[in-house]
Amino acid sequence: GENVEQHPSTLSVQEGDSAVIKCTYSDSASNYFPWYKQELGKRPQLIIDIRSNVGEKKDQRIAVTLNKTAKHFSLHITETQPEDSAVYFCAASIPRAGNMLTFGGGTRLMVKP
Amino acid sequence: ETGVTQSPTHLIKTRGQQVTLRCSSQSGHNTVSWYQQALGQGPQFIFQYYREEENGRGNFPPRFSGLQFPNYSSELNVNALELDDSALYLCASTAGRSSYNEQFFGPGTRLTVL
Repeated sequence: GENVEQHPSTLSVQEGDSAVIKCTYSDSASNYFPWYKQELGKRPQLIIDIRSNVGEKKDQRIAVTLNKTAKHFSLHITETQPEDSAVYFCAASIPRAGNMLTFGGGTRLMVKP
Repeated sequence: ETGVTQSPTHLIKTRGQQVTLRCSSQSGHNTVSWYQQALGQGPQFIFQYYREEENGRGNFPPRFSGLQFPNYSSELNVNALELDDSALYLCASTAGRSSYNEQFFGPGTRLTVL
C-alpha cells in the first residue's frame, strides 16, 4: 500500500521567515496530494491541495510543489505569522482506493513572534 | 467549520467493552470515511462507506466495523476494546468517491480506554 513520509517532525521559525515541509510517497499511482492544518484540539482543515497533472500551486502565502519523478511534494509558507503555528499533515490519495487518504506523520510548526 | 458532526465528543471505556461512535455527513455528501488518530500521529484510514456499502478498508482488525444509513450518516463500532484503541476518531465526508474530492472532517470523538 501507499506510504507517506513527512519531514521535519518539528519546525521552529521566526515570524516573517519562510517554512518548508517535505513529504515523499511510495505509490506512483497517487494522483492527489492535500495538505491539512490541525490546531490543538481541533479537526484537520484543508489548506491547499495539488493534483498529479500540476507541478505547482499557490494560494496567497501558501504554495505546494510536486515532483512526480522523485515522488515528493512540499509545502511552502512565506511570511509566517504566529497564527500559522499548528500541526501540518501531508496526504496522498490513489484512484484505485477511492479517496482514501494516507497521511504523513505530521510537522509541528512553531512561529515565534 | 464544516457541516460534519460527531458524537459523543469524549468517551471513557474499559478494556473488553464495546463502543459506537456516530457521524453525520455534510449535506449532499454520500461518502464517509473513518480515521483513527493516535496522539502525536497522523490519521490512519479505517474504512470508507459509499451509499451504504463498505468501499475500502485499511489495516484494522474485524472488531472495527461500521454502517452507513440511507441519510448517509455513519457509525463506527469497536468490539473488545484494547488500551491501544485510545485515540481521536475522525470521520470525513465527501461528495463521491473520486480521489480528487475534498474530505471534510468532523471534530472527532476522543476515546479513552482504561
